[in-house]
Amino acid sequence: AQSVTQLDSQVPVFEEAPVELRCNYSSSVSVYLFWYVQYPNQGLQLLLKYLSGSTLVKGINGFEAEFNKSQTSFHLRKPSVHISDTAEYFCAVSARAAGNKLTFGGGTRVLVKP
Amino acid sequence: GAGVSQSPSNKVTEKGKDVELRCDPISGHTALYWYRQSLGQGLEFLIYFQGNSAPDKSGLPSDRFSAERTGGSVSTLTIQRTQQEDSAVYLCASSLGGQGNYGYTFGSGTRLTVV
Repeated sequence: AQSVTQLDSQVPVFEEAPVELRCNYSSSVSVYLFWYVQYPNQGLQLLLKYLSGSTLVKGINGFEAEFNKSQTSFHLRKPSVHISDTAEYFCAVSARAAGNKLTFGGGTRVLVKP
Repeated sequence: GAGVSQSPSNKVTEKGKDVELRCDPISGHTALYWYRQSLGQGLEFLIYFQGNSAPDKSGLPSDRFSAERTGGSVSTLTIQRTQQEDSAVYLCASSLGGQGNYGYTFGSGTRLTVV
């Protein structure tokens, strides 16, 4: 079984400042890693995913994440946030095998202030 | 269709009544998932369908919850004798396969309120 911990439930940040959202996972098998964003009153949208290869993954809207196997982390970063980045962000993990579903972290709510 | 469609978008029901929530996945997506998102909580896995395989029901919280997927496409999640703790947003997602490497495409959810 897998588990995901998002260390920050809320992250306030000023517009144009950088932001980092922390995600740690545990798993006994190799995993795929994902970040999703949920804007108010909407479903979840895939931001980026790590499957294999380069540990630095670039996604939509200027976000990127780095997979660190030794630290079992997959932190999400953006160098300069906009008001429109105000949303909830979910880290998720899936085992590298058929028949496995995504396990989500508890989410991090990002509030961008002007 | 272009995306995952869920209906209704909002549902208010009286305690003890049964409700049915519908999910229409993206055409060609063989995997379909139901999750529940309670206020201030993360996403709780409920059930997973993959092709013609038996569904993974391991996340269903009680026997009042059931789901079916007809013809490998549309899915219905049924909650019998609803309780107030069932109030949540129910999210459906589909993906191309069940290998775990495809991201999910989520619907906008059904917000269920039990009064």
